[in-house]
Amino acid sequence: SQQGEEDPQALSIQEGENATMNCSYKTSINNLQWYRQNSGRGLVHLILIRSNEREKHSGRLRVTLDTSKKSSSLLITASRAADTASYFCATDQAGTALIFGKGTTLSVSS
Amino acid sequence: GAGVSQTPSNKVTEKGKYVELRCDPISGHTALYWYRQSLGQGPEFLIYFQGTGAADDSGLPNDRFFAVRPEGSVSTLKIQRTERGDSAVYLCASSQDLNRGTNTGELFFGEGSRLTVL
Repeated sequence: SQQGEEDPQALSIQEGENATMNCSYKTSINNLQWYRQNSGRGLVHLILIRSNEREKHSGRLRVTLDTSKKSSSLLITASRAADTASYFCATDQAGTALIFGKGTTLSVSS
Repeated sequence: GAGVSQTPSNKVTEKGKYVELRCDPISGHTALYWYRQSLGQGPEFLIYFQGTGAADDSGLPNDRFFAVRPEGSVSTLKIQRTERGDSAVYLCASSQDLNRGTNTGELFFGEGSRLTVL
């Protein structure tokens, strides 16, 4: 089963633009994480936001969490061609394994 | 090595055959996870180990799938009587699981084993 649903499924932007991806989930969580996956590779952890946090930054990444709406967003500022990848949100529901969404495929053209 | 290692990277087999996929986690990581990823989809949870024991195997699709981690380090995912629908990339991840399963931290993924069942 998949808990999170990312939106949009695919996103195409130009270098320098910002990219925003959204994630909605269904049940209460301990934390929410975002991962990135380059084509044919494993997933790489980007950022973790706990259920009592509302916003978190890491370099060009900004993540928000709204537990009342059961949603999160990932913003990548000043995107680069190297940001082209699939992005997944994953939720931690009280000690079970992370449950991943279907992902957003981001394409950044130069 | 410093990361999670999975072997083989590619496995092609025939329908009905038995397959083993191996995962060598990051040294010292007590938690180990198996996921399956089909094309265009997110990783689908299969099983989670805390040490040597399976803490949650609710994601295993049926009894043809089995996983072991006898010494709390290397894990093997075993698939019996493979079917074409088993074709996917099988991902392994490990984590320090510092909170003893109450709060899942960052997962470190391997590159995956791509299984193709003909």
